[in-house]
Amino acid sequence: DTEVTQTPKHLVMGMTNKKSLKCEQHMGHRAMYWYKQKAKKPPELMFVYSYEKLSINESVPSRFSPECPNSSLLNLHLHALQPEDSALYLCASSQEDPGGATDTQYFGPGTRLTVL
Amino acid sequence: GQNIDQPTEMTATEGAIVQINCTYQTSGFNGLFWYQQHAGEAPTFLSYNVLDGLEEKGRFSSFLSRSKGYSYLLLKELQMKDSASYLCAVKGYSGGYQKVTFGTGTKLQVIP
Repeated sequence: DTEVTQTPKHLVMGMTNKKSLKCEQHMGHRAMYWYKQKAKKPPELMFVYSYEKLSINESVPSRFSPECPNSSLLNLHLHALQPEDSALYLCASSQEDPGGATDTQYFGPGTRLTVL
Repeated sequence: GQNIDQPTEMTATEGAIVQINCTYQTSGFNGLFWYQQHAGEAPTFLSYNVLDGLEEKGRFSSFLSRSKGYSYLLLKELQMKDSASYLCAVKGYSGGYQKVTFGTGTKLQVIP
């Protein structure tokens, strides 16, 4: 089973709203990732959690706030977003932390976010 | 930092073979991945290479030359459903830590 699930599939929010994206995996993976992907561009790394601790923050604006409640769950809290934040937000997980040799990342289906 | 280069678009005929190249520059190289991404969907893992040579997996093969900073993905017996973007991703050191960086992807169109 290599399934990563994400909810919601689509989200439309205003610039003053607060919303959360959720990601779940039951593969026993210990590393989880958030990526942002704009149209016709590659995924861009935002955050990495390794063993439930934030290990990488790619200088992401504070209006994006990640949270890892346990080893299976990853949230991304959104507040005061801008229209340019509209994108596909992808969650991924891998067996080991990014320093390991076999950390193939498996992606969820993504949340299509539109900020009005 | 990391630099990954792959062609933007390619077109190939159903039933044929196509090779998608990827060149990269990175420090602390620790593996190269190929992913397939259909429009509007998430990337799906195809292959992983860390040692020089060819890895074969059904209709898909991936080759790596670490000394040349070069990889290719070979797709045989092309099917219409293979129309997608193919992302080359490299794991190496950037900003003081190991991470995976994705190339811009090669959009493959398979025509009848």
